[in-house]
Formats: sequence, C-alpha cells, structure tokens
Amino acid sequence: GQQVMQIPQYQHVQEGEDFTTYCNSSTTLSNIQWYKQRPGGHPVFLIQLVKSGEVKKQKRLTFQFGEAKKNSSLHITATQTTDVGTYFCAETSGGSNYKLTFGKGTLLTVNP
Amino acid sequence: DAGVIQSPRHEVTEMGQEVTLRCKPISGHDYLFWYRQTMMRGLELLIYFNNNVPIDDSGMPEDRFSAKMPNASFSTLKIQPSEPRDSAVYFCASSRLAGVDEQFFGPGTRLTVL
Repeated sequence: GQQVMQIPQYQHVQEGEDFTTYCNSSTTLSNIQWYKQRPGGHPVFLIQLVKSGEVKKQKRLTFQFGEAKKNSSLHITATQTTDVGTYFCAETSGGSNYKLTFGKGTLLTVNP
Repeated sequence: DAGVIQSPRHEVTEMGQEVTLRCKPISGHDYLFWYRQTMMRGLELLIYFNNNVPIDDSGMPEDRFSAKMPNASFSTLKIQPSEPRDSAVYFCASSRLAGVDEQFFGPGTRLTVL
C-alpha cells in the first residue's frame, strides 16, 4: 500500500514556540486524517482533510492539505505542555479497500 | 458510550504460550480494526472486518496470528504460539465507515512475551 512519510521524527520545543509536522506522499491521496497519541495512550482522531488546498483550524491547531493532495501539515501555535505526544497522519488506500495507512509519526516534547 | 473496550490491558506470557486479546467495538460501528504498535515498525494494520466479515488480513504477520469476529460486539486476536518478537501494544479500533470516517481506538493491550 501507499506509505506516507512524516517529518520530523522528533521535535523538542520550548513552551510558547510553534511546531509543525509534515506528511508527504509520492502519490495523490484520497483524503488524510490526523491523530494524536499521548504517551502511554491510544491514538485519538483530530481531523480529516478531503479537498485540495483545504485548511481547517482547531483553536491553536491548523491543518492543511496540499493543492496536489500529496502533502499535508499540522501546525501548532504557541505550544503548551498539554500538546506533548505523537502526531500521526494517516491516508486511505484507493480502490475498494478503505484501510488507513499511518505514517511513523512525529513525537513532540515541550519544555515548560 | 463506553468507547472501544479491550482486555486484558496487560499480558505477560512465556514464549510458546497461546495469547488471546479481546475487543468490544462501539455499538453501531460496522468496521473493526486490529493494529499492532512497536517502536521499530510504528502503527501497523493487521486485519479489519466489515459487518463481522474479514476484509483485509494482508497485515497479519504469519499463520501464528488469527482473528475472529463471531458477532457485531466482539472480536478476538489470537497468537499461537507466541514469540518474543510479538511483544507490542495491540490496539482495536472501530468506525462507522472505513477510510473516510474517524476511527475510535481502544486503550490497547500491552503484550510482553518472555
């Protein structure tokens, strides 16, 4: 199946700094989902992007889907310690098999 | 709603033993997914069901792994015999639709095979 590449693998920031993680694919994606997993926890759905060039916001989080639908990003403004965790993007394989394929994730740590 | 329920939360067993992981999906969700998470390989889909029928088991590592869904409210993932390399966190997730709907994950089962 398709494989989405996420960068960076790790990111450490000071509280109040911004953070961005990127998700890239060599092929056009049907849609993309973003999940957050707190340390020791389970993945929790954040958002789904479907349309080319789509931008969605959730408080301090901004999600973008590229014009060519081959990349996506998650930006957090003014990080807080509660933002700590691993952020995953996940894409849907095409055709009739609608399984999600997850990227390896970006682990965010925030220094208070 | 109680969310996706998994049991046990932790399992420690010895190599060669049979392990059975259990999952109760959210009521009304037609899709159930089993994932395995390790540091090396990340979050991998093992198998998923639609209306209790296995749709894609291409992620199941080998014949030692089997999964069943006898009814809409219960699924099992069995490993027999278990090996140390099976040590991982196993998540069950459910959704109303596949691929275009959010998946709700259970708390996971942390499996350690000695």
